[in-house]
Amino acid sequence: QVQLVQSGAEVKKPGSSVRVSCKASGDTFSDYAFSWVRQAPGQGLEWMGGIMPIFDATNYAQKFQGRVTITTDESTTTVFMELSSLRSEDTAVYYCATSSDFEGRYGGNYYGPFDYWGQGTLVTVSS
Amino acid sequence: DIVMTQSPDSLAVSLGERATINCRSSQSVLKRSTNNNYLAWYQQKPGQPPKLLIHWASFREFGVPDRFSGSGSGTDFTLTISSLQPEDVAVYYCQQYYSSPQTFGQGTKLEIK
Repeated sequence: QVQLVQSGAEVKKPGSSVRVSCKASGDTFSDYAFSWVRQAPGQGLEWMGGIMPIFDATNYAQKFQGRVTITTDESTTTVFMELSSLRSEDTAVYYCATSSDFEGRYGGNYYGPFDYWGQGTLVTVSS
Repeated sequence: DIVMTQSPDSLAVSLGERATINCRSSQSVLKRSTNNNYLAWYQQKPGQPPKLLIHWASFREFGVPDRFSGSGSGTDFTLTISSLQPEDVAVYYCQQYYSSPQTFGQGTKLEIK
């Protein structure tokens, strides 16, 4: 099974960007797809986007298109999520999560259930 | 996007009693070619990330107690805890992974009566 360890809490100004990392260990990196899911205080879960390293494929929820970028560094088995043009509504806990069931061939963007999760990273956007 | 709606929003059940949480999707999440329902259930305790309990609507993850069960097909699904234990106090979410973006229900908060 895979373990996911995320970077620490961040405090950012409105209009700035934040980059959160998620280091995977314990299993083969390319056997998984990685997603970012956020949770605003006291609220539910929202999928932002994902990446499939083995297919070199990235997918974003339309809500975040143009503001979020998900990348990987396979040499360090780390996934990154950068969110730009931050506003107060982006204050949330950001989770990385894996899907061991996924498909990205031929333009596919299927991400199965999220079987492993990082511990979460609180991003606070405040002036 | 597929909208997932859970009911109730909160639920209080006595220890040892049955807890039932419902989830409805705005369109079917059953793929006819595989006869699988693309529906998962998660448990989230305070200060923790969600934990996957059930996938394909009714398949328990390894290590999940058998008092947890999932049922339903198409657009209507149920998570049942047959005999509530103190450690089951949590918020429960359903999720569809039939189409992108994957979407979650709003959550059901389960407490002890």
